[in-house]
This record gives sequence, C-alpha cells and structure tokens, in this order.
Amino acid sequence: SQTIHQWPATLVQPVGSPLSLECTVEGTSNPNLYWYRQAAGRGLQLLFYSVGIGQISSEVPQNLSASRPQDRQFILSSKKLLLSDSGFYLCAWSPQTERGTGELFFGEGSRLTVL
Amino acid sequence: GEDVEQSLFLSVREGDSSVINCTYTDSSSTYLYWYKQEPGAGLQLLTYIFSNMDMKQDQRLTVLLNKKDKHLSLRIADTQTGDSAIYFCAEILSYNTDKLIFGTGTRLQVFP
Repeated sequence: SQTIHQWPATLVQPVGSPLSLECTVEGTSNPNLYWYRQAAGRGLQLLFYSVGIGQISSEVPQNLSASRPQDRQFILSSKKLLLSDSGFYLCAWSPQTERGTGELFFGEGSRLTVL
Repeated sequence: GEDVEQSLFLSVREGDSSVINCTYTDSSSTYLYWYKQEPGAGLQLLTYIFSNMDMKQDQRLTVLLNKKDKHLSLRIADTQTGDSAIYFCAEILSYNTDKLIFGTGTRLQVFP
C-alpha cells in the first residue's frame, strides 16, 4: 500500500532563518506531488506541484521554493523565512493517469511558526 | 479566476443533520469533491460528485449539486461527535495533474 511521510511535524524558526520540509511517498512510482499551505481562515492554497523529477510548477509568487531530487521525494525550502510564512504545510500525491481522478492523498502536515 | 467559498463554522447537536454549503465559480468543472480534515491531520477524500448528477448518497452522506447556481452541499445525517472536523469542498482545475482548488473549509463542531 502507498504511504506518504512528512517531516518535521512541527517547527519553530526565527525570521530570516532557512527552511527545509521534506516529503516522501512509498509504494508507488512517478506520482504527481503537491505542496499546499493552510493559513488560518484562508483555506488551502496550492504552492507547488510536480509531475516528475526536476519538474516543478509554482502556483503563486512567494518566498518559498520546491525541489524534486528523486521520484518520490519533494522538498519545500526557503533561504530566509518571513513571518507570513507561518502556517500548516501539507504534502500530497496523486497517481499519474491519463485522466485525473481528483483524489489526493495527504501527509499529516508540518506546522511552521516563524517568530 | 477560480474561487470556492464556504462558511467558516457550523455547530450542530449530536443526532441532528448537518448541511455544509459551498459555491464554486468554474462552470466547466466536471468533478466536485468533499474532503475531511480531522484535527492536526491531513485531508482525506470523503466523496465526490460528477457534474451530470444532481445528487449522490453514500451511507450518512448526501451530496447535492445545483449546477445552474454553482452550489454544492454536503448533508451528514445523524451527526456524531466523530464528525467534528473541517470540511473542504474542491473543484478540479486540471485533469492532467489533479490540481484542485479548495474552499476555505467549514469547521463543524458537534456537541452532545
């Protein structure tokens, strides 16, 4: 069966410090991968998605970047965190099919607090 | 642009029915979804409806779709305390990549 792991689960970082959140998927190959951010009262915002190694699409201009160094590994990074980067970050995957189903499988999330 | 809207809170008594509403903007969406997020966790797909359907029932869940008004609702019958969670509706933006646009989420609180 497929599983998705995200870490760390919680993170408290000072403004201006770097960030690295990691997500790995097991039990499948060539998945679509996504990073979403959930900010208080604002729902879920799609930040990045990837259809393959080294292929990253950014949905919104921001202080963050994403990388996919391996097929089932997706990393969210920042060189210098801002207060506005605080939030709950969710990684998700979906199988690559000719026609998507819209079913995403989410990790447990990483809560980032920037002070 | 795409926008999916939901009311933020709903409070119901255990045993009553809950109705969570959602409006969406993209009339070409052929699938619409309901996801559930339990406290401190990721989201899980609850149910979905194809746009040529008006209603879909799955045990205690009933999804109603009014395509003319772009209105989607989720009814939970006999609501239980375990139903307390945040419920997100979503519409699909791109089939090739399963890109979804999520609503703001409705926090359902069930009290005894």
